[in-house]
Amino acid sequence: NAGVTQTPKFQVLKTGQSMTLQCAQDMNHNSMYWYRQDPGMGLRLIYYSASEGTTDKGEVPNGYNVSRLNKREFSLRLESAAPSQTSVYFCASRIPITGTGVEKLFFGSGTQLSVL
Amino acid sequence: TQLLEQSPQFLSIQEGENLTVYCNSSSVFSSLQWYRQEPGEGPVLLVTVVTGGEVKKLKRLTFQFGDARKDSSLHITAAQPGDTGLYLCAGRVRGNKLVFGAGTILRVKS
Repeated sequence: NAGVTQTPKFQVLKTGQSMTLQCAQDMNHNSMYWYRQDPGMGLRLIYYSASEGTTDKGEVPNGYNVSRLNKREFSLRLESAAPSQTSVYFCASRIPITGTGVEKLFFGSGTQLSVL
Repeated sequence: TQLLEQSPQFLSIQEGENLTVYCNSSSVFSSLQWYRQEPGEGPVLLVTVVTGGEVKKLKRLTFQFGDARKDSSLHITAAQPGDTGLYLCAGRVRGNKLVFGAGTILRVKS
């Protein structure tokens, strides 16, 4: 099982450039997420999609856009990259754990992005 | 300010030693999870606790949820080099929001 697949693994951008981070999951999950991870800050939610066709802002959405292309794919776009967006980006999908009221997140292996 | 404070931030120990890492908050959580993250990979869920005072064991790892559901601890017995990684706690607060702590970096030397 591939699980959650993210591309690219590494990326270097110049300030003002744009790019799209790709994410796909093969587990038929409804909910998908984009997080960024910075030293000392933990994982912070950028955007999420509760189901195909819906997207919502998370804690730090400024400077980003997302597209839920279909149930499998959820992409994150930086229209005009800034040095403050240098981070490691993780995509995740979620499945409820039956009978517990809680859920399990499955993460991709991340994209390390540097904006110069 | 982090809603979830993890301590210590960094821990370097010898193989065979025991250790405890902590996850604390002033907020009440409906559930709390622990994840382990290895370099170059995403976090992987280890355990979920939902009841105040709950204790769960996963081989040499023991997880405890505080009675008031505001804190949690992870105890590792006889640590091994394979335990090396970043340990993250994540709590679900009212409004169904999931918040992550900044993590504890554990290094186990052989």
